[in-house]
Amino acid sequence: DAGVIQSPRHEVTEMGQEVTLRCKPISGHDYLFWYRQTMMRGLELLIYFNNNVPIDDSGMPEDRFSAKMPNASFSTLKIQPSEPRDSAVYFCASSKPGLAGEDEQFFGPGTRLTVL
Amino acid sequence: GEDVEQSLFLSVREGDSSVINCTYTDSSSTYLYWYKQEPGAGLQLLTYIFSNMDMKQDQRLTVLLNKKDKHLSLRIADTQTGDSAIYFCAENHDYKLSFGAGTTVTVRA
Repeated sequence: DAGVIQSPRHEVTEMGQEVTLRCKPISGHDYLFWYRQTMMRGLELLIYFNNNVPIDDSGMPEDRFSAKMPNASFSTLKIQPSEPRDSAVYFCASSKPGLAGEDEQFFGPGTRLTVL
Repeated sequence: GEDVEQSLFLSVREGDSSVINCTYTDSSSTYLYWYKQEPGAGLQLLTYIFSNMDMKQDQRLTVLLNKKDKHLSLRIADTQTGDSAIYFCAENHDYKLSFGAGTTVTVRA
């Protein structure tokens, strides 16, 4: 398996533009997570899905952020309109809990977003 | 996350042992994890420990867990330049992980 795939790897956009980040989880994983990493706030969980259903979106900063998972192999995180403070690295991760309950999350390489 | 705290920086000489410390708050966490992040990459699981264990060893890595004090540590023996990275401690709540701020480990020759 290629691991978690994210695209694009880098995105530079202007304030006010719509940004869409994409993620393909590892096949067979039934949990998908979106994180944001900044120097100031560290690694924050934005939202996670189980079997394509959003379970907890309490980390989504505001209504400008939305996430979807239309099927088991694809998820998007959209920011509309984008603002400079959204600049960060966005990670997608997926997991399939083990038989003993251990839960390794596999992270993608991240999308570095810069909003000018 | 607020619930997991760790020191921000550690500098160690090549060949010495590194010890990274972490405190957590949720006593119901079933597992505790150590993740490693190299520059420009995502996080990668290094090791984890089940909450009813107090020690786990995996090659150069030793994890110690003190449940009473809610203290977790990661020891890296014979630290190498390739160990330079950010190390995150994490605790689980159901299927979510709460991460610490990360400890940046710098290995000097």
